[in-house]
Amino acid sequence: ETGVTQTPRHLVMGMTNKKSLKCEQHLGHNAMYWYKQSAKKPLELMFVYSLEERVENNSVPSRFSPECPNSSHLFLHLHTLQPEDSALYLCASSQDPFTGELFFGEGSRLTVL
Amino acid sequence: GENVEQHPSTLSVQEGDSAVIKCTYSDSASNYFPWYKQELGKRPQLIIDIRSNVGEKKDQRIAVTLNKTAKHFSLHITETQPEDSAVYFCAASNSGGGADGLTFGKGTHLIIQP
Repeated sequence: ETGVTQTPRHLVMGMTNKKSLKCEQHLGHNAMYWYKQSAKKPLELMFVYSLEERVENNSVPSRFSPECPNSSHLFLHLHTLQPEDSALYLCASSQDPFTGELFFGEGSRLTVL
Repeated sequence: GENVEQHPSTLSVQEGDSAVIKCTYSDSASNYFPWYKQELGKRPQLIIDIRSNVGEKKDQRIAVTLNKTAKHFSLHITETQPEDSAVYFCAASNSGGGADGLTFGKGTHLIIQP
């Protein structure tokens, strides 16, 4: 498998559930990101990790919790979400935070009931 | 922080015609401007980018122009083809091209009419 892969591709959860999104990159990159994509809104950066250390958290609610155990894997843990959190969650990687091109995964489509 | 405005939100052109998508940015320190293409149900992919030390860059049918004084940049697609149908996102960065500093526009849905 090459590139950036995300699982699951689709997820439906209730507001009291706990679930996780997983991202894996096979590009040897040092930086990984979570983006939120909602209809008619810009791509919103949620979290950035460089060499497994979090470098940015754009005031994301605490019901989203990232984890980066190594430079190839990134998780987004979800708990007590709200219906407005329904969106496409995109993982991306780049060579390092100072290299422009982002390589995105296919995304995880989340629906919160 | 940076603010990126993108217009139009939807653009419909006849196959073979040209398409132009425009973006403005607010932070005069921004120096890196990529464009991403997202086909329906697929991931966004970088198609072209430009840095502030150049005014124009071309790659086959795609070109990007940058006007730093006016703080706007544009994507030009010539001889449009059906496979150009997608959502296009512009972005601006003020951290030397680092993806952590990218601010995206809302996207333009480009429709190529046969």
